[in-house]
Amino acid sequence: SQQGEEDPQALSIQEGENATMNCSYKTSINNLQWYRQNSGRGLVHLILIRSNEREKHSGRLRVTLDTSKKSSSLLITASRAADTASYFCATVSGAGSYQLTFGKGTKLSVIP
Amino acid sequence: EAGVVQSPRYKIIEKKQPVAFWCNPISGHNTLYWYRQNLGQGPELLIRYENEEAVDDSQLPKDRFSAERLKGVDSTLKIQPAELGDSAVYLCASRHYSDTEAFFGQGTRLTVV
Repeated sequence: SQQGEEDPQALSIQEGENATMNCSYKTSINNLQWYRQNSGRGLVHLILIRSNEREKHSGRLRVTLDTSKKSSSLLITASRAADTASYFCATVSGAGSYQLTFGKGTKLSVIP
Repeated sequence: EAGVVQSPRYKIIEKKQPVAFWCNPISGHNTLYWYRQNLGQGPELLIRYENEEAVDDSQLPKDRFSAERLKGVDSTLKIQPAELGDSAVYLCASRHYSDTEAFFGQGTRLTVV
């Protein structure tokens, strides 16, 4: 079963523009993570935000978390063609466990 | 440091045949995950190990799938017999107990014909 639902399912933007992807989830979480997957490759961890945090930055990435709405957003600023990939949110729930549950992903295309 | 290694990268088999996937996690990582990813979908957990113990296998179709993690290191995922609907990418990931980030292998793309 999948915890998160990303939207949009697909996003196409011009290089230099910002890209925003959203993730909604169903149950309470310990933390929420974002991963990137290039075509035919494994997933790469991008950033983590804990349930008691509201916003986090890492380079060109900005993540927000609203636990009251059970939603998160990932903003990529000044996008590059190399950012073309699928982006997944993953939630970690449960005390003492580390069950990592992924959403369906957003496919981002950055046009040079 | 070597990452998570999976083999084979690709496998094509006929339905009803058995198949096995192998995963070598990052050295020292306690947690090992097997995920299945269908085309255009997110990874879905099949089984999670903490050391050599399977602590979450509720999504593993136990009539045909089996997994083991000998000595809490390498792991093997087996399907017997394979069905057409098993065609997918099988991903292995590992995590150190003190860390929050999971590291993924490149995956094994299985095609059942």
